[in-house]
Amino acid sequence: DGGITQSPKYLFRKEGQNVTLSCEQNLNHDAMYWYRQDPGQGLRLIYYSQIVNDFQKGDIAEGYSVSREKKESFPLTVTSAQKNPTAFYLCASSMGQGWGEQYFGPGTRLTVT
Amino acid sequence: AQRVTQPEKLLSVFKGAPVELKCNYSYSGSPELFWYVQYSRQRLQLLLRHISRESIKGFTADLNKGETSFHLKKPFAQEEDSAMYYCALMVDSNYQLIWGAGTKLIIKP
Repeated sequence: DGGITQSPKYLFRKEGQNVTLSCEQNLNHDAMYWYRQDPGQGLRLIYYSQIVNDFQKGDIAEGYSVSREKKESFPLTVTSAQKNPTAFYLCASSMGQGWGEQYFGPGTRLTVT
Repeated sequence: AQRVTQPEKLLSVFKGAPVELKCNYSYSGSPELFWYVQYSRQRLQLLLRHISRESIKGFTADLNKGETSFHLKKPFAQEEDSAMYYCALMVDSNYQLIWGAGTKLIIKP
């Protein structure tokens, strides 16, 4: 099954721990994105990457970090500095900058207690 | 500031009735707008984009710059149209998408 994979589907962590969410794509897309989705709100952009070894902060980057060492992979680390980390996280990719069609993964639901 | 507003959190209509999901945007540049859909237990996916001016699954959406709207319409709703619908605006400063909060559409039999 091609496309974007995110793992795990559900993730539980204790407060104060960093946690890394995986996102892999085999679509040969240049651009990748991380969004956060909270109930009653639209998707909010955390980080995005237009090319390998480069990434930019989105609207709500505080408390998160990313890397883009490979074209296929764009992991997101939720650090202990993120004040309200419990949320649904979506990864997406697109062919490149300016392509409005984004392809989404199934998401990871993170619960921090 | 750029913003996308979907005023209805929930819209419920009977099968065969017309459907209109509202989307309004606030943007000073040249807007490029999209509708995305998420069916139950499926991923979020693109439904249509205004520049293509096409009808997908019977849905159409017209960009009205005067009213800053991009409403999604279908003349006769089907049960399989039940889903979560999101309107999104691409800003040309960084090509990122600004998302509305979404409307849950329920088609009653």
